[in-house]
Amino acid sequence: GAVVSQHPSRVICKSGTSVKIECRSLDFQATTMFWYRQFPKQSLMLMATSNEGSKATYEQGVEKDKFLINHASLTLSTLTVTSAHPEDSSFYICSARLAGKETQYFGPGTRLTVL
Amino acid sequence: AQKVTQAQTEISVVEKEDVTLDCVYETRDTTYYLFWYKQPPSGELVFLIRRNSFDEQNEISGRYSWNFQKSTSSFNFTITASQVVDSAVYFCALIRGTSGSRLTFGEGTQLTVNP
Repeated sequence: GAVVSQHPSRVICKSGTSVKIECRSLDFQATTMFWYRQFPKQSLMLMATSNEGSKATYEQGVEKDKFLINHASLTLSTLTVTSAHPEDSSFYICSARLAGKETQYFGPGTRLTVL
Repeated sequence: AQKVTQAQTEISVVEKEDVTLDCVYETRDTTYYLFWYKQPPSGELVFLIRRNSFDEQNEISGRYSWNFQKSTSSFNFTITASQVVDSAVYFCALIRGTSGSRLTFGEGTQLTVNP
């Protein structure tokens, strides 16, 4: 149980385009989903917390207009990187948590490369 | 504020050796949860264990064991008879026991098990 999927696993795009990443909880309902960013050989950095049906809460320094998050259902959250630039290239990982529980289950990650 | 310290950046062992990964945490809360996650080269974070602050009982799961000591604020992870497949980055993490809390990660320990 507690499986989280992410799609796509890898994406290469041109500078200026937008990229959408999907995060799905496959066998449970996730009232809260989280989006992280990870640079090579570094720890995970929380970007935003997404609650179903409400606006996402962004961490300090994360541009909400740059990283659009939608959590339209209890099993799906999307992260859209708008007008991507090479500095947005990174590994993006989502996680999902059951209501009232502390454990976060992570997706397999999406490696974004912006040329 | 919470803090998790994994002082060992990289550890290299030979197969079948035992290895202990250290984790020291800081928090002012009396209720909190500690986690260990494994991140193999594929990138996905795999949940290994969750421990709440009121349960100091050590846990063993196959070749894995965890030693939680509140007196030293440590939550160490030991792999017995290590195998090449154990090679990964291991993250220790902490979350407060209050709703809406963020997961605080350590910097991770890169474990390499050589044949």
